[in-house]
Amino acid sequence: DAGVIQSPRHEVTEMGQEVTLRCKPISGHDYLFWYRQTMMRGLELLIYFNNNVPIDDSGMPEDRFSAKMPNASFSTLKIQPSEPRDSAVYFCASSSTVNTEAFFGQGTRLTVV
Amino acid sequence: AQSVTQLDSQVPVFEEAPVELRCNYSSSVSVYLFWYVQYPNQGLQLLLKYLSGSTLVKGINGFEAEFNKSQTSFHLRKPSVHISDTAEYFCAGGVSGGYNKLIFGAGTRLAVHP
Repeated sequence: DAGVIQSPRHEVTEMGQEVTLRCKPISGHDYLFWYRQTMMRGLELLIYFNNNVPIDDSGMPEDRFSAKMPNASFSTLKIQPSEPRDSAVYFCASSSTVNTEAFFGQGTRLTVV
Repeated sequence: AQSVTQLDSQVPVFEEAPVELRCNYSSSVSVYLFWYVQYPNQGLQLLLKYLSGSTLVKGINGFEAEFNKSQTSFHLRKPSVHISDTAEYFCAGGVSGGYNKLIFGAGTRLAVHP
Protein backbone atom coordinates (compact mmCIF):
# COMPACT_ATOMS: atom_id res chain seq x y z
CA ASP A 1 0.00 0.00 0.00
CA ALA A 2 1.21 3.51 -0.78
CA GLY A 3 0.22 4.81 2.63
CA VAL A 4 -2.03 7.77 3.35
CA ILE A 5 -1.99 10.12 0.40
CA GLN A 6 -2.70 13.81 0.77
CA SER A 7 -3.00 16.46 -1.88
CA PRO A 8 -1.86 19.04 -2.54
CA ARG A 9 1.43 19.06 -0.60
CA HIS A 10 1.50 22.83 -0.65
CA GLU A 11 -1.29 25.35 -1.13
CA VAL A 12 -1.02 29.12 -1.22
CA THR A 13 -4.26 31.02 -1.46
CA GLU A 14 -5.62 34.47 -0.89
CA MET A 15 -7.77 35.37 2.07
CA GLY A 16 -11.43 34.77 1.36
CA GLN A 17 -10.87 31.97 -1.12
CA GLU A 18 -12.17 28.44 -0.69
CA VAL A 19 -9.58 25.77 0.01
CA THR A 20 -10.09 22.02 -0.32
CA LEU A 21 -7.63 19.51 1.08
CA ARG A 22 -7.84 15.88 0.01
CA CYS A 23 -6.97 12.59 1.62
CA LYS A 24 -6.92 8.97 0.55
CA PRO A 25 -6.61 6.64 3.56
CA ILE A 26 -4.93 3.25 3.58
CA SER A 27 -7.19 0.64 2.06
CA GLY A 28 -9.06 -1.32 4.72
CA HIS A 29 -8.70 1.31 7.42
CA ASP A 30 -12.05 2.36 8.77
CA TYR A 31 -10.94 5.34 10.87
CA LEU A 32 -9.83 8.61 9.34
CA PHE A 33 -8.51 11.63 11.23
CA TRP A 34 -7.83 15.23 10.27
CA TYR A 35 -5.21 17.09 12.32
CA ARG A 36 -3.88 20.62 12.18
CA GLN A 37 -0.33 21.47 13.27
CA THR A 38 0.84 24.96 14.16
CA MET A 39 3.73 26.29 16.19
CA MET A 40 1.39 27.89 18.68
CA ARG A 41 -1.09 25.08 19.26
CA GLY A 42 0.83 21.96 18.31
CA LEU A 43 -1.06 19.01 16.83
CA GLU A 44 -4.82 19.37 17.15
CA LEU A 45 -7.42 16.80 16.19
CA LEU A 46 -10.07 18.52 14.09
CA ILE A 47 -12.43 15.67 13.27
CA TYR A 48 -12.49 11.93 12.84
CA PHE A 49 -14.63 9.47 10.93
CA ASN A 50 -15.53 5.83 11.45
CA ASN A 51 -16.85 3.96 8.44
CA ASN A 52 -17.32 7.28 6.64
CA VAL A 53 -19.46 8.72 9.44
CA PRO A 54 -18.20 11.76 11.40
CA ILE A 55 -17.86 10.72 15.03
CA ASP A 56 -16.33 13.74 16.74
CA ASP A 57 -16.00 17.16 15.16
CA SER A 58 -15.50 19.07 18.39
CA GLY A 59 -12.06 20.15 17.24
CA MET A 60 -13.29 21.93 14.15
CA PRO A 61 -12.49 25.56 14.94
CA GLU A 62 -15.33 27.35 13.17
CA ASP A 63 -18.21 26.90 10.77
CA ARG A 64 -15.83 27.92 8.02
CA PHE A 65 -14.35 24.42 8.33
CA SER A 66 -16.17 21.37 7.01
CA ALA A 67 -15.14 17.79 6.33
CA LYS A 68 -16.71 15.02 4.33
CA MET A 69 -16.02 11.38 3.64
CA PRO A 70 -18.23 10.31 0.73
CA ASN A 71 -16.68 6.84 0.57
CA ALA A 72 -14.09 4.67 2.27
CA SER A 73 -11.25 5.84 0.07
CA PHE A 74 -11.64 9.60 0.05
CA SER A 75 -12.08 12.52 2.41
CA THR A 76 -11.96 16.29 2.06
CA LEU A 77 -11.41 19.14 4.47
CA LYS A 78 -12.77 22.43 3.20
CA ILE A 79 -12.21 25.95 4.49
CA GLN A 80 -14.56 28.61 3.16
CA PRO A 81 -13.71 31.45 3.37
CA SER A 82 -10.06 31.03 4.29
CA GLU A 83 -8.24 33.42 6.63
CA PRO A 84 -4.52 34.01 7.32
CA ARG A 85 -4.84 32.38 10.75
CA ASP A 86 -5.78 29.13 9.02
CA SER A 87 -2.19 28.85 7.80
CA ALA A 88 -0.85 25.55 9.14
CA VAL A 89 0.10 22.05 8.15
CA TYR A 90 -2.94 19.79 7.87
CA PHE A 91 -2.43 16.07 8.35
CA CYS A 92 -4.71 13.22 7.49
CA ALA A 93 -4.26 9.89 9.24
CA SER A 94 -5.99 6.54 9.14
CA SER A 95 -6.12 3.47 11.34
CA SER A 96 -7.77 0.06 11.38
CA THR A 97 -9.25 0.74 14.80
CA VAL A 98 -9.30 3.93 16.81
CA ASN A 99 -6.97 2.65 19.47
CA THR A 100 -4.20 1.28 17.34
CA GLU A 101 -1.52 3.19 15.55
CA ALA A 102 -2.54 5.90 13.15
CA PHE A 103 -0.66 6.19 9.87
CA PHE A 104 -0.06 9.75 8.80
CA GLY A 105 0.12 11.34 5.39
CA GLN A 106 2.85 13.77 4.44
CA GLY A 107 0.62 16.73 5.20
CA THR A 108 -0.59 19.77 3.28
CA ARG A 109 1.14 23.03 4.09
CA LEU A 110 -1.49 25.74 3.72
CA THR A 111 -0.55 29.40 3.49
CA VAL A 112 -3.30 31.99 3.37
CA VAL A 113 -2.08 35.45 2.40
CA ALA B 1 -10.44 14.24 31.29
CA GLN B 2 -7.82 12.46 29.29
CA SER B 3 -4.55 14.31 28.61
CA VAL B 4 -0.96 13.71 27.56
CA THR B 5 1.83 15.94 28.87
CA GLN B 6 5.34 16.10 27.50
CA LEU B 7 7.43 17.70 30.18
CA ASP B 8 10.21 19.11 28.00
CA SER B 9 9.69 21.24 24.91
CA GLN B 10 13.35 20.94 23.90
CA VAL B 11 16.10 18.51 24.79
CA PRO B 12 19.65 19.24 23.62
CA VAL B 13 22.11 16.37 23.82
CA PHE B 14 25.52 15.45 22.46
CA GLU B 15 25.98 12.64 19.99
CA GLU B 16 26.43 9.19 21.55
CA ALA B 17 24.97 10.37 24.86
CA PRO B 18 21.86 8.75 26.35
CA VAL B 19 18.55 10.57 26.21
CA GLU B 20 15.16 10.39 27.92
CA LEU B 21 12.08 12.19 26.68
CA ARG B 22 9.39 12.38 29.30
CA CYS B 23 5.68 11.79 28.88
CA ASN B 24 2.90 11.61 31.45
CA TYR B 25 -0.69 10.71 30.78
CA SER B 26 -3.85 11.31 32.68
CA SER B 27 -6.50 8.64 32.62
CA SER B 28 -8.36 6.46 35.06
CA VAL B 29 -8.96 3.62 32.64
CA SER B 30 -6.90 1.34 30.44
CA VAL B 31 -4.75 3.23 28.00
CA TYR B 32 -2.96 2.81 24.75
CA LEU B 33 0.26 4.81 24.40
CA PHE B 34 2.43 5.69 21.43
CA TRP B 35 5.56 7.59 20.53
CA TYR B 36 5.80 9.17 17.10
CA VAL B 37 8.72 10.94 15.42
CA GLN B 38 8.46 13.79 12.95
CA TYR B 39 11.40 14.75 10.77
CA PRO B 40 11.40 18.20 9.12
CA ASN B 41 8.71 18.60 6.46
CA GLN B 42 7.50 15.06 7.01
CA GLY B 43 4.47 13.38 8.50
CA LEU B 44 4.53 11.50 11.79
CA GLN B 45 6.05 8.05 11.91
CA LEU B 46 5.37 5.51 14.63
CA LEU B 47 8.37 4.70 16.85
CA LEU B 48 6.72 2.29 19.26
CA LYS B 49 3.46 1.51 20.99
CA TYR B 50 2.14 0.04 24.22
CA LEU B 51 -1.17 -1.76 24.03
CA SER B 52 -0.85 -4.34 26.80
CA GLY B 53 1.55 -6.93 28.21
CA SER B 54 5.21 -6.20 28.88
CA THR B 55 5.75 -2.70 30.20
CA LEU B 56 9.06 -2.31 28.37
CA VAL B 57 8.44 -1.66 24.72
CA LYS B 58 11.14 -1.65 22.06
CA GLY B 59 10.73 0.34 18.90
CA ILE B 60 12.58 1.28 15.76
CA ASN B 61 15.92 3.08 15.58
CA GLY B 62 17.05 1.76 18.98
CA PHE B 63 14.37 3.55 20.99
CA GLU B 64 12.49 1.99 23.89
CA ALA B 65 9.86 3.16 26.36
CA GLU B 66 8.58 1.93 29.69
CA PHE B 67 4.94 2.05 30.72
CA ASN B 68 4.70 2.89 34.41
CA LYS B 69 1.12 2.71 35.62
CA SER B 70 1.82 3.90 39.16
CA GLN B 71 3.57 7.03 37.89
CA THR B 72 1.30 7.35 34.83
CA SER B 73 4.36 7.77 32.68
CA PHE B 74 5.62 6.49 29.34
CA HIS B 75 9.14 7.91 28.96
CA LEU B 76 11.11 7.35 25.78
CA ARG B 77 14.79 6.40 26.00
CA LYS B 78 17.75 5.72 23.80
CA PRO B 79 21.16 4.72 25.20
CA SER B 80 23.20 6.45 22.49
CA VAL B 81 21.82 9.03 20.11
CA HIS B 82 22.94 9.96 16.62
CA ILE B 83 22.80 13.20 14.72
CA SER B 84 20.07 11.65 12.59
CA ASP B 85 17.81 11.37 15.66
CA THR B 86 17.33 15.14 15.60
CA ALA B 87 13.57 15.54 15.17
CA GLU B 88 10.33 16.32 16.97
CA TYR B 89 8.95 13.54 19.15
CA PHE B 90 5.30 13.21 20.09
CA CYS B 91 3.75 11.11 22.82
CA ALA B 92 0.14 10.12 22.24
CA GLY B 93 -2.49 8.24 24.17
CA GLY B 94 -5.94 6.82 23.78
CA VAL B 95 -8.50 5.27 26.07
CA SER B 96 -9.67 1.75 25.36
CA GLY B 97 -13.21 0.98 24.38
CA GLY B 98 -15.78 2.71 22.27
CA TYR B 99 -15.18 5.70 20.10
CA ASN B 100 -12.15 7.37 21.59
CA LYS B 101 -9.72 9.69 19.96
CA LEU B 102 -5.95 9.70 20.15
CA ILE B 103 -4.60 12.69 22.09
CA PHE B 104 -1.14 14.05 21.32
CA GLY B 105 1.29 15.82 23.62
CA ALA B 106 2.81 19.15 22.62
CA GLY B 107 5.97 17.54 21.33
CA THR B 108 9.64 17.53 22.36
CA ARG B 109 12.31 18.76 20.01
CA LEU B 110 15.40 16.60 20.32
CA ALA B 111 18.53 18.36 19.09
CA VAL B 112 21.62 16.15 18.83
CA HIS B 113 24.90 18.04 18.64
CA PRO B 114 28.26 16.70 17.44
